[in-house]
Amino acid sequence: DAGVIQSPRHEVTEMGQEVTLRCKPISGHNSLFWYRQTMMRGLELLIYFNNNVPIDDSGMPEDRFSAKMPNASFSTLKIQPSEPRDSAVYFCASSPLQGAGASSYEQYFGPGTRLTVT
Amino acid sequence: DQQVKQNSPSLSVQEGRISILNCDYTNSMFDYFLWYKKYPAEGPTFLISISSIKDKNEDGRFTVFLNKSAKHLSLHIVPSQPGDSAVYFCAASAAGAGSYQLTFGKGTKLSVIP
Repeated sequence: DAGVIQSPRHEVTEMGQEVTLRCKPISGHNSLFWYRQTMMRGLELLIYFNNNVPIDDSGMPEDRFSAKMPNASFSTLKIQPSEPRDSAVYFCASSPLQGAGASSYEQYFGPGTRLTVT
Repeated sequence: DQQVKQNSPSLSVQEGRISILNCDYTNSMFDYFLWYKKYPAEGPTFLISISSIKDKNEDGRFTVFLNKSAKHLSLHIVPSQPGDSAVYFCAASAAGAGSYQLTFGKGTKLSVIP
């Protein structure tokens, strides 16, 4: 398996522009997580989906952030409009069926997208 | 308020010696704990885990110890190797409460000196 795939790997944009980050989870995994990593706050959970349905978006910082999962193999995280304080590394992770034993707690991370907003 | 704390931002150890990374948590609902390792420009990768019904789990050179009464866990790496140099994240889950979300610490950067 190719693992979790994220694109782009790097994104540089100007303040006010729309940014879309993409993620393809591991095939067969039914939970998907979006994280943001910054020096100040570490690794924060933004939102997660079970079976393509958003379960908890309490970590989404503002209405400027939105996430979708139209099918089991694709998710997007959109920031509109972007601001310099959104600069961070954004990770997508997936995990197997929830409640299917200890392995369901283990999340598999993609390589991340480094976002820079100038 | 941080529910998972890694109070040492960095740690340096000589090759061949033991590395001990520490983690404290405050949420008594946490019942499953994981350690992740992260190299630069890569995503975190799962290393080892432990359920709250155990106090020790071992996998090769890696051992995780859990002290529930102290709300403390530690990761021991013996012997340490230069390839172990990475950032190590502690994470916790309250699965028994129906939550599979992971709460992460801020990480400890381990440097193993040849």
